[in-house]
Amino acid sequence: DGGITQSPKYLFRKEGQNVTLSCEQNLNHDAMYWYRQDPGQGLRLIYYSQIVNDFQKGDIAEGYSVSREKKESFPLTVTSAQKNPTAFYLCASSIISGRGYNEQFFGPGTRLTVL
Amino acid sequence: GDSVTQMEGPVTLSEEAFLTINCTYTATGYPSLFWYVQYPGEGLQLLLKATKADDKGSNKGFEATYRKETTSFHLEKGSVQVSDSAVYFCALTAGAGGTSYGKLTFGQGTILTVHP
Repeated sequence: DGGITQSPKYLFRKEGQNVTLSCEQNLNHDAMYWYRQDPGQGLRLIYYSQIVNDFQKGDIAEGYSVSREKKESFPLTVTSAQKNPTAFYLCASSIISGRGYNEQFFGPGTRLTVL
Repeated sequence: GDSVTQMEGPVTLSEEAFLTINCTYTATGYPSLFWYVQYPGEGLQLLLKATKADDKGSNKGFEATYRKETTSFHLEKGSVQVSDSAVYFCALTAGAGGTSYGKLTFGQGTILTVHP
């Protein structure tokens, strides 16, 4: 079955630690995205990537880093510079069409809690 | 920049009641519009979409019509069920005249609770 997997489902971090969230897709999509979800604020874009070895900052990139070494994988690192990292993190992927309309498919999410 | 505004929730209904969740947007060019649904503890699922003015998206009894004149994409369902309890997000992605990488701009989400 094609889809997006995220791991782990729950993650706990001590203050000052970096943590990496995994995102893998087997949909053969070119574009991948990371969103942060906080209660009552909808989803905010952290980073996105349209092609291997290239990525761009979204609206709230400070304190986060990503890599895109393979088409299937787009891991997100939450660094110690992120002041309020407790949130639900969602990964998504999509094709890239010339029409500019790209339905995004979402993974199940990772809930990060800072202790 | 692009933005999406949803009616504030939470919305609480009895089973078989009529549902409307309002969504309005501002965007350059000709955006595509989406409704996503999120069940507790899960990721988002696409519920329906519309890619041009006057298009009606529909799925699982839910409908929404792309109204360019009022910049709206209200979600409706004639008879809700307990299983419809979830968070609903309106979203847009810029089309011609806007960015082309498919960035989704989301509303803040509306929590729907349906009681038996």
